[in-house]
Amino acid sequence: DAMVIQNPRYQVTQFGKPVTLSCSQTLNHNVMYWYQQKSSQAPKLLFHYYDKDFNNEADTPDNFQSRRPNTSFCFLDIRSPGLGDAAMYLCATSRDVGTNEKLFFGSGTQLSVL
Amino acid sequence: QQQVKQSPQSLIVQKGGIPIINCAYENTAFDYFPWYQQFPGKGPALLIAIRPDVSEKKEGRFTISFNKSAKQFSLHIMDSQPGDSATYFCAASRASGTYKYIFGTGTRLKVLA
Repeated sequence: DAMVIQNPRYQVTQFGKPVTLSCSQTLNHNVMYWYQQKSSQAPKLLFHYYDKDFNNEADTPDNFQSRRPNTSFCFLDIRSPGLGDAAMYLCATSRDVGTNEKLFFGSGTQLSVL
Repeated sequence: QQQVKQSPQSLIVQKGGIPIINCAYENTAFDYFPWYQQFPGKGPALLIAIRPDVSEKKEGRFTISFNKSAKQFSLHIMDSQPGDSATYFCAASRASGTYKYIFGTGTRLKVLA
């Protein structure tokens, strides 16, 4: 009964080779987020969608893009992965935006860049 | 001013002990303080949360203590169990302006059997 599903669990890509990570949700939530979490660091918000409205964080590199074709799915595209992009990528959802909205996280995709 | 500072980075306690994890913030506009628990290979999950109008909140064996004047809050785990071994993140968010969560750097807790 997983509610936020991320695939694949592990992803290996080559330096500079585009990669796409996927996330799906069964909660029918309006908001979907992508976080980057490096080892022993806090999750860092990259961007989020409120419905179809895309909201990019100011410090998110242009190398990272996202697509949300429908309510249930959201994709993270890394156009030219560098070694520094190796991390756990977490997808999360919330019913709405605003304080005290509970975040529901997926299990993450661990990205390795060779 | 947007940071949430969390300590310690790691913590080892014996079963039955009471680990305490501390967080501090600077932005007085923050008004919601959740704690997330993350097991290896899993995404974080909401554990417990508090608003600054109360000084303490308990849910089962988990308690948040909140000190508004000191801008600090902490998580206490009573009668800790090996199954509590996980990474714990504090976070903060605010109602006005950007609502996004600011996470602490996490505390890796290990409870020994």
